[in-house]
Amino acid sequence: KNEVEQSPQNLTAQEGEFITINCSYSVGISALHWLQQHPGGGIVSLFMLSSGKKKHGRLIATINIQEKHSSLHITASHPRDSAVYICAPHGGSNYKLTFGKGTLLTVNP
Amino acid sequence: NAGVMQNPRHLVRRRGQEARLRCSPMKGHSHVYWYRQLPEEGLKFMVYLQKENIIDESGMPKERFSAEFPKEGPSILRIQQVVRGDSAAYFCASSQHTGNTEAFFGQGTRLTVV
Repeated sequence: KNEVEQSPQNLTAQEGEFITINCSYSVGISALHWLQQHPGGGIVSLFMLSSGKKKHGRLIATINIQEKHSSLHITASHPRDSAVYICAPHGGSNYKLTFGKGTLLTVNP
Repeated sequence: NAGVMQNPRHLVRRRGQEARLRCSPMKGHSHVYWYRQLPEEGLKFMVYLQKENIIDESGMPKERFSAEFPKEGPSILRIQQVVRGDSAAYFCASSQHTGNTEAFFGQGTRLTVV
């Protein structure tokens, strides 16, 4: 059983749509990262959160530690948002990140 | 601040050769982490280093792989006698502290073994 489950695995949207990507994990954690990876590209850390909600531009991340669930939302999606989004919880030390397999988002114009 | 720098971006090696991957952490960061992303798989932790010390190498294959982070210069991930199964993207991240602090990732090195 995977420790980190992301859904959906693939998501196609039209420009302007509201996007939600979900992450459920089975390990006890102290914080969780959301990462973005463009095809063939590097990894960018979007958020690190341990409770509640964080917002950065059109991106919003929420986490419920008790329910072991986090969501990443993108408002007014744009083709440049097309990427793989990866959920990575960790149990207190940065290096012990456990990664989800990622959600491939394609936003069509 | 140039961010985490990895080089080369792409590396092609023949089976049996050695691969050396370099990672220069962000300025002021003394913690370095290496991760591997195999084709069609998620990222997996390999090793965590602090200046001159290996803190945790539990994710690194026991043979052919080694890592170092010397007092001066970049961190090096070294793969000896590469095999086709080593073909992957190798990412490095760095942080100022360990614990609940943000880690910054490099662009990765894509290793292809032919």
